[in-house]
Amino acid sequence: GAGVSQSPRYKVAKRGQDVALRCDPISGHVSLFWYQQALGQGPEFLTYFQNEAQLDKSGLPSDRFFAERPEGSVSTLKIQRTQQEDSAVYLCASSQIARTATYYNEQFFGPGTRLTVL
Amino acid sequence: GDSVTQMEGPVTLSEEAFLTINCTYTATGYPSLFWYVQYPGEGLQLLLKATKADDKGSNKGFEATYRKETTSFHLEKGSVQVSDSAVYFCALIHGSSNTGKLIFGQGTTLQVKP
Repeated sequence: GAGVSQSPRYKVAKRGQDVALRCDPISGHVSLFWYQQALGQGPEFLTYFQNEAQLDKSGLPSDRFFAERPEGSVSTLKIQRTQQEDSAVYLCASSQIARTATYYNEQFFGPGTRLTVL
Repeated sequence: GDSVTQMEGPVTLSEEAFLTINCTYTATGYPSLFWYVQYPGEGLQLLLKATKADDKGSNKGFEATYRKETTSFHLEKGSVQVSDSAVYFCALIHGSSNTGKLIFGQGTTLQVKP
C-alpha cells in the first residue's frame, strides 16, 4: 500500500516568502507528526495531531509556523515570512493511535520536503 | 529535558566487520527506545525497539539491549554488509508521553566498504 507522501520534495524560497508543505499520511492513520531536520542533525519534533485536533504544538519554533489538519487526513505546515534559519528538511510521520495501554505504535515517515531559504 | 547522545560519525568499516554504534540517553522514568535508519534517498525507517529495561530489540541482524543502569541502547551487528551503509538514529519516547513524540540523537553515518 501507499506510504506517507510529502510535496513538494524540494522548495526554494526567498527570504520573507510564505511556504506551504503538504503531507498525505497513510490512510486511516489517526496520528500525524511534523519534525524538522537541520543539516547533519537528528529530526526535532514540531507538532502532533490526533485526527483533526492539534494536541501538541510545543515544538513550533515561532509564531511564523502554523500547521493544520482540517479533515483529519492531509496536513499542511505553513511557514510565514521565511528566514534562512528555516532551511531544513521537514518530515511528516503518521501512525495508528499514538499510544495503546502497553506500547507506542510505529511512526511511518515520509521522504521529507527539503526547504532552502535564500 | 530528555535527550539522546550518539557517537560521532562517520563510522567506516570493511564488509563483515563488527559494528557498534553507541547511544546513551537522559530521561526520567522509563522511556521506550528506538533505532531508526535512513538509507540514501529514502525516508526514516524503524529498525528496532525496546520498551523496558533488559529488553533486546533485534531486526535484520542488528541488536540493541535496553540498559537502564547505564542509560544506554547501543546498536550492534556481527557482520556488516555494504547495503548497511546508511545514517542511524537513536531515539526515545518519554514513558509518560501521550503523543508519542520521538526525541532523536544527531545520527551516525555508517559507511561499509567492500
